[in-house]
Amino acid sequence: EAGVAQSPRYKIIEKRQSVAFWCNPISGHATLYWYQQILGQGPKLLIQFQNNGVVDDSQLPKDRFSAERLKGVDSTLKIQPAKLEDSAVYLCASSPRTGSGNTIYFGEGSWLTVV
Amino acid sequence: TQLLEQSPQFLSIQEGENLTVYCNSSSVFSSLQWYRQEPGEGPVLLVTVVTGGEVKKLKRLTFQFGDARKDSSLHITAAQPGDTGLYLCAGGASGTYKYIFGTGTRLKVLA
Repeated sequence: EAGVAQSPRYKIIEKRQSVAFWCNPISGHATLYWYQQILGQGPKLLIQFQNNGVVDDSQLPKDRFSAERLKGVDSTLKIQPAKLEDSAVYLCASSPRTGSGNTIYFGEGSWLTVV
Repeated sequence: TQLLEQSPQFLSIQEGENLTVYCNSSSVFSSLQWYRQEPGEGPVLLVTVVTGGEVKKLKRLTFQFGDARKDSSLHITAAQPGDTGLYLCAGGASGTYKYIFGTGTRLKVLA
């Protein structure tokens, strides 16, 4: 079974530029998550989708971050314009459904450096 | 806002020592998971605890879920350099659909 795919793996941009990350979850998984992880810290949930609807985006900085999951499958996370503090790993994850006891599968992450 | 606080934040120990990592919240969690993450990789699931008071063992790792399902601990016996990594607790708070992670404990085991 293919895992969660993310691209690009690494990205370096200048501040005020834009960047987009792509995620392809495991086939059939209804729930998709985007997390931001700063080095050495726990991942912070940015947005959680159930199919193509948003379950939670309370910690998504909506003035510069946007995410969509068209057709309830792939998802893109965009940052525009980027700030230095956006340097982090962006982890995409998916699970069969939303709810307790769910197993969540992670991609390898997209590493962003803003200079 | 549901929070999962982990302690300690950093831990550096010698090979063969024992250690305990704590994960605490003011919220009740229907289940908690523990992950280990190595540099450059995503978190890897170690265990899920569901029942209050539950204890699970995974070789030298012992996981416990608090009776009130608000806290959990991870105990490592005779730590080895291969245990080095970032340990994360995570879960979905009861009554919400959000899945959140703890603040993380970075463990380094010296040979």
